[in-house]
Amino acid sequence: DGGITQSPKYLFRKEGQNVTLSCEQNLNHDAMYWYRQDPGQGLRLIYYSQIVNDFQKGDIAEGYSVSREKKESFPLTVTSAQKNPTAFYLCASGHLPGSYNEQFFGPGTRLTVL
Amino acid sequence: GENVEQHPSTLSVQEGDSAVIKCTYSDSASNYFPWYKQELGKRPQLIIDIRSNVGEKKDQRIAVTLNKTAKHFSLHITETQPEDSAVYFCAASKLGGNKLVFGAGTILRVKS
Repeated sequence: DGGITQSPKYLFRKEGQNVTLSCEQNLNHDAMYWYRQDPGQGLRLIYYSQIVNDFQKGDIAEGYSVSREKKESFPLTVTSAQKNPTAFYLCASGHLPGSYNEQFFGPGTRLTVL
Repeated sequence: GENVEQHPSTLSVQEGDSAVIKCTYSDSASNYFPWYKQELGKRPQLIIDIRSNVGEKKDQRIAVTLNKTAKHFSLHITETQPEDSAVYFCAASKLGGNKLVFGAGTILRVKS
């Protein structure tokens, strides 16, 4: 299960606060992804990055921001503009798209807005 | 864009029986179809995948079948065991594409 880590495991936020979720990988993967998981809705893509200093919006990017200053790190900020941020957040990484598209997931961060 | 539908949303089977989970996809250009298993409180992990140049792939008690014409693929688990209880997700993408599109998930319960 090693190789991709997320912190913290649990996070509580008051309404109106921004919070940043950490994601680190030592798998030498170029691509990194952030997903949101809600009951009954599967995994929805928030943002992804295929190379340092570049990232693209996924299907539900509104209210979120990311950065990719290092290959190993892809932090996600949940801003106060995100209307319903309580969810389980999963980070993943993988090789650049090619013949092998497997993604490896971190253990997740459960965010609760109080 | 791609849309993946997964059925059923929940599935209960008796230990030793088989379980089948089905997914359909909308983009005929998709050619990579992985299945992930997520145990309670844990991260999703890849259990099997199939590429569109084959119709079936097996790995011990797990198999995946693909029908490109109908645009659907299925996960088959034989001789189910209690440790197979988990949420299973299907996904689709294009090889060389940059993202996976996931189904909504199936909660599998294996009763002993």
